[in-house]
Amino acid sequence: DGGITQSPKYLFRKEGQNVTLSCEQNLNHDAMYWYRQDPGQGLRLIYYSQIVNDFQKGDIAEGYSVSREKKESFPLTVTSAQKNPTVFYLCASSWRGRTYEQYFGPGTRLTVT
Amino acid sequence: KQEVTQIPAALSVPEGENLVLNCSFTDSAIYNLQWFRQDPGKGLTSLLLIQSSQREQTSGRLNASLDKSSGRSTLYIAASQPGDSATYLCAGDNAGNMLTFGGGTRLMVKP
Repeated sequence: DGGITQSPKYLFRKEGQNVTLSCEQNLNHDAMYWYRQDPGQGLRLIYYSQIVNDFQKGDIAEGYSVSREKKESFPLTVTSAQKNPTVFYLCASSWRGRTYEQYFGPGTRLTVT
Repeated sequence: KQEVTQIPAALSVPEGENLVLNCSFTDSAIYNLQWFRQDPGKGLTSLLLIQSSQREQTSGRLNASLDKSSGRSTLYIAASQPGDSATYLCAGDNAGNMLTFGGGTRLMVKP
């Protein structure tokens, strides 16, 4: 099956700890994206990558870091996780130049205590 | 910078009712407009994509329209069913730039 996987589905961390979220796709897409969704809100772009070894900041990149060493993988690290209501992180991918045609993963829910 | 707003934020209707969800955007240079469905705790599923040269799209009981001059898109759901209960998000892009999402409308269809 082709698709996007995110792991883990649920993640718990203490305030101040770094945490890394996994995103893998086997769709052979060039571009990958990370979004943050707060309860009852829409999606906000954190980082995106259009090719391997290159990535760009989105609207809310502060407090996050990414890497793109392989085409299939785009891990997101939340640095010094702040105590907040549970946040939902969504990963997506698309063909390069077709940002409007993104395929989304199932998401990771992060709770910081 | 493009801003996208969805009204209402939540909507509850009885089964069988026809309903309209609204999406407004600030930059009329919007290129593509897309409607997504999100079930609780899940990712997004694309419902309808209105590309730059189009004004509406239809899929089954769903119809989406786009009026760039007024900065509005509507999603029409005919004969609503309990299975339609979900959050509906609209998102637009400006010719290859990133998607900008609205805050979503949480729909509850009561049997």
